[in-house]
Amino acid sequence: QSALTQPPSASGSPGQSVTISCTGTSSDVGGYDYVSWYQQHPGKAPKLMIYELNKRPSGVPDRFSGSKSGNTASLTVSGLQAEDEADYYCSSYAPSNIYVLFGGGTKLTVL
Amino acid sequence: EVQLVQSGGGLVQRGGSLRLSCAASGFSFSSYAMTWLRQAPGKGLEWVSSINDSGDYTVHADSVRGRVTISRDNSKNTLLLQMNSLRDEDTAVYYCVKDRSGRAFDYWGQGTLVIVSS
Repeated sequence: QSALTQPPSASGSPGQSVTISCTGTSSDVGGYDYVSWYQQHPGKAPKLMIYELNKRPSGVPDRFSGSKSGNTASLTVSGLQAEDEADYYCSSYAPSNIYVLFGGGTKLTVL
Repeated sequence: EVQLVQSGGGLVQRGGSLRLSCAASGFSFSSYAMTWLRQAPGKGLEWVSSINDSGDYTVHADSVRGRVTISRDNSKNTLLLQMNSLRDEDTAVYYCVKDRSGRAFDYWGQGTLVIVSS
């Protein structure tokens, strides 16, 4: 199975909303509600922002939300703030020996 | 507080071996699957290996299968990754991560850099 597909970049102004897509297949993203999203600031370890498609770990602002349509999952960041500028990665449960698939990452710029 | 403290990275010659360790604390280590992920310089995240809670089931990415072994010592709350026959493309920051439901990774180690050089 191939990696999930994300746009390389996204941007928005403070206060706006931005959506990042993550496209897979019916064997991964489309077949399970086990999509996760991670935020990574430069030089830091990634941080889990969304799991099981639309659940937020404790401490993650509700400005971050997840959804899915068909084989494409999306992360929406509402009310953009400067500190949201980071790389975002999606991942999906994958069956059998693949275990998990990652997207290539999207660099979010807050203008 | 959940902590994953990694050790064991560094510079290794092509074809050499390295063992990464991850000391876990702050949670019931023996109750969770654990995973190693890696990130090559300037690149995205890549799954490497995973092990179930009891340690009797392991799975590896095609890129490392046959060259790496993931293991755990639940009595010492430690996760290990033994890497052999290292290649240039194994150069990356390696992360020890705790699995949660749905193949999500909710806690991450600080990362350890492995550089494979000739």
